[in-house]
Amino acid sequence: SQQGEEDPQALSIQEGENATMNCSYKTSINNLQWYRQNSGRGLVHLILIRSNEREKHSGRLRVTLDTSKKSSSLLITASRAADTASYFCATLNYGGATNKLIFGTGTLLAVQP
Amino acid sequence: DAMVIQNPRYQVTQFGKPVTLSCSQTLNHNVMYWYQQKSSQAPKLLFHYYDKDFNNEADTPDNFQSRRPNTSFCFLDIRSPGLGDAAMYLCATSSSRAADTQYFGPGTRLTVL
Repeated sequence: SQQGEEDPQALSIQEGENATMNCSYKTSINNLQWYRQNSGRGLVHLILIRSNEREKHSGRLRVTLDTSKKSSSLLITASRAADTASYFCATLNYGGATNKLIFGTGTLLAVQP
Repeated sequence: DAMVIQNPRYQVTQFGKPVTLSCSQTLNHNVMYWYQQKSSQAPKLLFHYYDKDFNNEADTPDNFQSRRPNTSFCFLDIRSPGLGDAAMYLCATSSSRAADTQYFGPGTRLTVL
């Protein structure tokens, strides 16, 4: 399977703390994306990092990418209770006629107020 | 607001009774995707449409079919649902085959009794 792996599977922190999630993948990629999924809801796109980028920021989110190790991390700073959700990394390959996303296994983040 | 809409949000069916899930979009996107997400797992792509061109993933069971009568609507038909088909079904769109980002609907949770 080309599916990525994420760790930890679950993470519980206190409000105000930082949360770090890691993603590893298996094949070469064009970009890597992070999505958020609130319980029982659809996925919301958070941030995209291209294979020639090493770090990207968006608000309280910081994403790093290490293509030599085939890994990425998502840092959420100053977490809030509203950040409680599952977070998925997804890799995108341009091979084939249509771009397809391959999702990782996800990290369930619980932020305690 | 432009969006991806899925109906119903919750669907209960009986073992073997055909069921249809609906997805509509106001984004005027060319590509529509259907994913299956089982509990605590990553979304798994079932198939996608580029305009009216249907593309099945190799490991998608024959029990799953899809129709796209126009740009706005796409349907997922499960001909004979089994207990193993209970899952969240996510519809997504992208503006083109080369697009990086997908936009997800809220999902339909299917229960099979």
